[in-house]
Amino acid sequence: NAGVTQTPKFQVLKTGQSMTLQCAQDMNHNSMYWYRQDPGMGLRLIYYSASEGTTDKGEVPNGYNVSRLNKREFSLRLESAAPSQTSVYFCASSETGASAPLHFGNGTRLTVT
Amino acid sequence: SQKIEQNSEALNIQEGKTATLTCNYTNYSPAYLQWYRQDPGRGPVFLLLIRENEKEKRKERLKVTFDTTLKQSLFHITASQPADSATYLCALGSGGYNKLIFGAGTRLAVHP
Repeated sequence: NAGVTQTPKFQVLKTGQSMTLQCAQDMNHNSMYWYRQDPGMGLRLIYYSASEGTTDKGEVPNGYNVSRLNKREFSLRLESAAPSQTSVYFCASSETGASAPLHFGNGTRLTVT
Repeated sequence: SQKIEQNSEALNIQEGKTATLTCNYTNYSPAYLQWYRQDPGRGPVFLLLIRENEKEKRKERLKVTFDTTLKQSLFHITASQPADSATYLCALGSGGYNKLIFGAGTRLAVHP
C-alpha cells in the first residue's frame, strides 16, 4: 500500500502566485488533515476533514483553502502565496474517532520568495 | 494558551543505553497522548498511544509513562541502537475529533 501520497515534493513560488498541494490516501480513512511544520515549532493544524463532505479550520487557517474532493483526496490551496507560508506541509489521514493514530505523507517543501 | 515543551537540545547517548525523552504540557487536560518518530525528509510515524487513565504503556523496547498530576510524559527506548536516531514528537489530544497538538520534538542521536 502507498499510504498517504503528497505531490509535489518540492515547490518554489513567487509572492502572489497560487498553487494547490495534492494529497491522496488509500487506507479508506474517513478523516484527513493538513499540517505545516516550521523549524523549532510543532506541527500546526491548518485544516481538517472529519469525513467526506466536511471541512473545518484548524489552528492556522488564514491564507489557505481546502477541498475534500472525495474520500481519498484532500487538497490544500494557497491563493496568493506569501513568504510567511514557506514551510513543509504534511497531509495525514486517520480512522474515525478520537485518539486514532495519524498516518502522514512525506511532505511538500514549499519556498515562497 | 496550551503549551507543549520538549527538549530542544539534541539528546546524545551511547548504543545500548536507555534514552529518556520528556514531554511537558501546560494549560491543557489531554485525554490521550501519542508519540511519533520522524526521520529527516519524511513524515512522522506513529509509535505509541497512552490514555489519561493509563500510567504506563510498553511496546517492544519502547515504554511511555503519563503523569497527569505532573503534566508530563516520559518516553524511554531501552537498549538503544544507532537506528533509533531520529526526532521524536509528542502529541496531545482530547475531545471527539482527532485534533492533536504537537510538540516541536527532540532529536535523539545514538552513537556506536
